[in-house]
Amino acid sequence: GAVVSQHPSRVICKSGTSVKIECRSLDFQATTMFWYRQFPKQSLMLMATSNEGSKATYEQGVEKDKFLINHASLTLSTLTVTSAHPEDSSFYICSATGEGTDTQYFGPGTRLTVL
Amino acid sequence: GNSVTQMEGPVTLSEEAFLTINCTYTATGYPSLFWYVQYPGEGLQLLLKATKADDKGSNKGFEATYRKETTSFHLEKGSVQVSDSAVYFCALRGSGGYNKLIFGAGTRLAVHP
Repeated sequence: GAVVSQHPSRVICKSGTSVKIECRSLDFQATTMFWYRQFPKQSLMLMATSNEGSKATYEQGVEKDKFLINHASLTLSTLTVTSAHPEDSSFYICSATGEGTDTQYFGPGTRLTVL
Repeated sequence: GNSVTQMEGPVTLSEEAFLTINCTYTATGYPSLFWYVQYPGEGLQLLLKATKADDKGSNKGFEATYRKETTSFHLEKGSVQVSDSAVYFCALRGSGGYNKLIFGAGTRLAVHP
């Protein structure tokens, strides 16, 4: 089946630093990738949608200058949390869909802790 | 706008008990409906889906029927196992636009031997 990986699986950083999270589709070409945020014991909230080679489309209320998304190739998307603060601590999950399918395949998530 | 409501957890059951997790939705048009499962420490996995009214999705002993008249997509399993312990998310994708998924809040299931 389609596999999506994320790296790192967890990261701890100091307040004010930037953190980059990678999302890769391992065995298919991801024409569209999605980034979600999941708070403890809550649902997933879509942050943005990105198509390869295009600017990401952000959901209402998500700061695009704070959460930079790059989808430079058909197998890689990155989310950079800039100038992270403790309130950015969360579980970040990516998903991807390929050509000809509408099923989203999810990565295992990245737990970000900002001290 | 589109939304999904699912029963609050946690749901605690003994092994071999019958499981129902309720899910209702609000949507315009004809959405597709999904159940995802998240095992501890892992990402979401698609459990089953249904794309039109009266469709039944099934997988690993789980079933859900797309009921347009009651706008529901309840998840059921006849006999749960300890290994079914996880968080279950109901989700919909609208009939227009791209693949945006709207998730319910999730229901945690704990199955005890």
